[in-house]
Amino acid sequence: AQSVTQLDSQVPVFEEAPVELRCNYSSSVSVYLFWYVQYPNQGLQLLLKYLSGSTLVESINGFEAEFNKSQTSFHLRKPSVHISDTAEYFCAVKGSSGSARQLTFGSGTQLTVLP
Amino acid sequence: GAVVSQHPSWVICKSGTSVKIECRSLDFQATTMFWYRQFPKQSLMLMATSNEGSKATYEQGVEKDKFLINHASLTLSTLTVTSAHPEDSSFYICSAFSGESDTQYFGPGTRLTVL
Repeated sequence: AQSVTQLDSQVPVFEEAPVELRCNYSSSVSVYLFWYVQYPNQGLQLLLKYLSGSTLVESINGFEAEFNKSQTSFHLRKPSVHISDTAEYFCAVKGSSGSARQLTFGSGTQLTVLP
Repeated sequence: GAVVSQHPSWVICKSGTSVKIECRSLDFQATTMFWYRQFPKQSLMLMATSNEGSKATYEQGVEKDKFLINHASLTLSTLTVTSAHPEDSSFYICSAFSGESDTQYFGPGTRLTVL
């Protein structure tokens, strides 16, 4: 079984400032890690994922996350945020073995970018 | 990227009626689809896992006779909320698992309001 902890329920930040959304997980097996973004009244969109290989993964809109196995973390970062980045962000994990393993989600972090 | 659609995007119904929500994977085949429920400002709660051609697996506490799931093809799963009541009002989100990318892709969600 896996669990995900997103310690920050809300993160307000000014436009063009850097941001880090924290995600820690626990699992007894190897895992895949994901960040999803949800805009108001919409479903989830995959932002980035770590399956294997390089521990630093990037999205097309400037976000990046680094898989840190020793600290069991997968924090999401962006060096300069925009107003349009305001959304709810969910970290998720699932076991890497077997097939169609279900995702376990964190409680979410509301990122609010202020002008 | 992989696209998952849901229909309808929103529905309002009277108490006691049944509502069907469709989930389609548009450009890939999904042997497994998932149905989630999301309450305001909360994370996603997995309701059931739907496998093509077999019965759905429901999470603990989810009434299978109330939330009927059918996964008739590799691109379509349906969730029927039977005899809906106001407490069933929620945001329902489906996702489809792509074996090729080992990733879940989410639909845009369906807002159900039961009067």
